Amino acid sequence: GENVEQHPSTLSVQEGDSAVIKCTYSDSASNYFPWYKQELGKGPQLIIDIRSNVGEKKDQRIAVTLNKTAKHFSLHITETQPEDSAVYFCAASRKAAGNKLTFGGGTRVLVKP
Amino acid sequence: GAGVSQSPSNKVTEKGKDVELRCDPISGHTALYWYRQSLGQGLEFLIYFQGNSAPDKSGLPSDRFSAERTGGSVSTLTIQRTQQEDSAVYLCASSLAGPGTGSGKLFFGSGTQLSVL
Repeated sequence: GENVEQHPSTLSVQEGDSAVIKCTYSDSASNYFPWYKQELGKGPQLIIDIRSNVGEKKDQRIAVTLNKTAKHFSLHITETQPEDSAVYFCAASRKAAGNKLTFGGGTRVLVKP
Repeated sequence: GAGVSQSPSNKVTEKGKDVELRCDPISGHTALYWYRQSLGQGLEFLIYFQGNSAPDKSGLPSDRFSAERTGGSVSTLTIQRTQQEDSAVYLCASSLAGPGTGSGKLFFGSGTQLSVL
């Protein structure tokens, strides 16, 4: 089955700096890669996603890149703000498995004002 | 409400007791998922329902775990003879799309924090 590794497990950045989280996956058939943000006491919320036919996607301060050959994808947050502090999860899935997502272990991001 | 609703939000039980966790998905969502999140860990897939198809139970950790989805809407996750290692946050999610579409846009509830003493 699919295995998703996520690094780092914790990340502390100064407000205004950039944050980068990296994930690798094992199943070359995976074709959908979402990122979720989980705030304390809440369920994960989708913030951005990318499909295997796209190499990069951007939404305001958030961007995701995908390297299918290397089987890794990354989340980039620019101009970080205190409200970006949360746990971020990457995930992967493939059509044949429906929408069953395999998640990475999560990255706890702390943005220091 | 417009989101996925889970109840109870917190459940404390004694080892050996049975517990039931409830999930109300977003209206019209055909797919429903249960995930488990242990302290400081990622999300572990448990079970997946899609319409009237047989559920994908491949993630259930033991036969003490079972789940039902009645009428294609509300789902109940049951854990029998609870053990301390069952302590975790149990998250439910629903999705508009089903197998083969690959859209993967899951909407999560806030979870049930289960503590087994």
